[in-house]
Parts: sequence; C-alpha cells; structure tokens
Amino acid sequence: SQQGEEDPQALSIQEGENATMNCSYKTSINNLQWYRQNSGRGLVHLILIRSNEREKHSGRLRVTLDTSKKSSSLLITASRAADTASYFCATVLYSTLTFGKGTMLLVSP
Amino acid sequence: SQTIHQWPATLVQPVGSPLSLECTVEGTSNPNLYWYRQAAGRGLQLLFYSVGIGQISSEVPQNLSASRPQDRQFILSSKKLLLSDSGFYLCAWRTVSYEQYFGPGTRLTVT
Repeated sequence: SQQGEEDPQALSIQEGENATMNCSYKTSINNLQWYRQNSGRGLVHLILIRSNEREKHSGRLRVTLDTSKKSSSLLITASRAADTASYFCATVLYSTLTFGKGTMLLVSP
Repeated sequence: SQTIHQWPATLVQPVGSPLSLECTVEGTSNPNLYWYRQAAGRGLQLLFYSVGIGQISSEVPQNLSASRPQDRQFILSSKKLLLSDSGFYLCAWRTVSYEQYFGPGTRLTVT
C-alpha cells in the first residue's frame, strides 16, 4: 500500500500567496522527499529531508518533518503561476522509495 | 551530469500487440534503475527495479516484464498488451541517498 498520503488532494491559490501541502505516512523512514510533476512530464526531485532533521530550506521551499506525528509539510512561499504542478511526497525505508498520490497545485495569475 | 532518456514519448498500440519501451542513462555507471507506471490522476506504482545487468526485481505480478541487457539500459516489455496497461511509464535512477531522477516518460494508450 502507499506509504505517503498527501493532503489536500487539490489546492488552488493566487500568485503571491503561500501554498502548504502535507504528507502523512505510516511506518518508520530513513528520509522523506518531495517531487514536482508538471502535466505530462517526469517527476523532478525538489528536496530531501532525513529522519533526524526537522526543517530544511531550498529557495522558496520549506520542508518540515515531524517523525513523532509521522508527517511532513511542504511550504512554497510567494507562489508563481509556474509553480502549478502536482507535488508528491515519497518516503524511503532501507532501499524502498514509496510515493503518495500527490497534491495538485493550481496557481492563478 | 547525469541524463536519462526514454522513448518513445507517446505510443498507441492495439490490445494484444507487443510492447518495448527503452530507457537509457548517461553520466553514471552501474545505476539502480526503476520502472514506474502512473495511471491518470494517481500516484506512481513501482513495477520493476534493477541493481545491475541481468538483475531484475518485480514488485507486482502483471502482464509486463523488464530486462537490463547493458549497464545503462533498461527495457520494459510485454508480449500481449491489455487495455489496463495504458498509462504513463516512467524510468528513474537513484543516487546513494535514494533521491530519484526521472526520465520524461512514455504515454502508452492501448486501444
């Protein structure tokens, strides 16, 4: 079964607003990753956070990880229309990487 | 830098026909390679992974098979396609920290 579950399934915001997506998982992990997928394209790796890390930043992205709650969040600040895409979390345990079903983000100009 | 290629980009095949999708990786040696399928509006389903030439692990029983004839080549095949094989097929390789890097994908429509 899928390890990560993203919430919400879909999110619609205006340019300039922040977008927050959440990911919950069920078992222990070694690390958790976030990916972006533009329509009809392959996935692009955004950021990896290890199980012993609580927060990580990359440009306009901020990822948090709470292993006690088995959850992670991805925050995109000052969103742009180009951020419109599906965002997936993926958990890694040993050598297995498991993807969630994704959050579809629509950023309107 | 590493690059991953997939072809064809799109494919329309009739039910019962054979399938061969190819994935090649440049800029890395002995990569771990993966085949995923993504149904419309869904997450990714891992189909096969390979840690080396001739070494294939199957994650789910299905109408598909995979082969790795060369270090940087990974092939997904079927002898007879089913309607349920339609989807978006993605090949990926992974780094030592398990970050995965994906190819552009193949959109397969079985009619």
